[in-house]
Amino acid sequence: EPEVTQTPSHQVTQMGQEVILRCVPISNHLYFYWYRQILGQKVEFLVSFYNNEISEKSEIFDDQFSVERPDGSNFTLKIRSTKLEDSAMYFCASSPGTGVETQYFGPGTRLLVL
Amino acid sequence: KQEVTQIPAALSVPEGENLVLNCSFTDSAIYNLQWFRQDPGKGLTSLLLIQSSQREQTSGRLNASLDKSSGRSTLYIAASQPGDSATYLCAVNPPGNFNKFYFGSGTKLNVKP
Repeated sequence: EPEVTQTPSHQVTQMGQEVILRCVPISNHLYFYWYRQILGQKVEFLVSFYNNEISEKSEIFDDQFSVERPDGSNFTLKIRSTKLEDSAMYFCASSPGTGVETQYFGPGTRLLVL
Repeated sequence: KQEVTQIPAALSVPEGENLVLNCSFTDSAIYNLQWFRQDPGKGLTSLLLIQSSQREQTSGRLNASLDKSSGRSTLYIAASQPGDSATYLCAVNPPGNFNKFYFGSGTKLNVKP
């Protein structure tokens, strides 16, 4: 069964460094998403992406964040200058674009900012 | 802003018991509602999606119902098994918008052998 994959599974970085989190959505899906889950808190929406542009973003998704689909398979989340409070599990998801938009999630990248 | 609440926060049951997990949301004009399962340290597995025009969805031992007017959904698990132990999350789309989900805090289920 097709699935969303994410790399790396864990990333440790120093405050102020740039990180890029990578995702490979399900191949025939058209909508892509990033969510995050700070330890012990709810899963929070960050951004959705369709047709090579952001379709919606939350107030969390400020200028430090950017997303890109650099080729036909990858979808990336970049954090330009990481802060301690960016430490979280980051989930990528995709949905088919058929109108019944079940979102399929990847296993997540656990980011720790020191 | 949509608020999603799940009760109880944790539940422990003996194997074989039927159980109900509850989800409530403040704005009844949702687009879709989706139930997920999350295993410790892992991603979210989609269980069931209920469109706003539907009342329920079934998959195997799982049945999810939706009552938009009261802002409630329930996830019914029949004949629970130890492998069902996980955190169950409810998420809703805002009205006319499938681009994002608002999540509840989840119900952590433990099924004892």
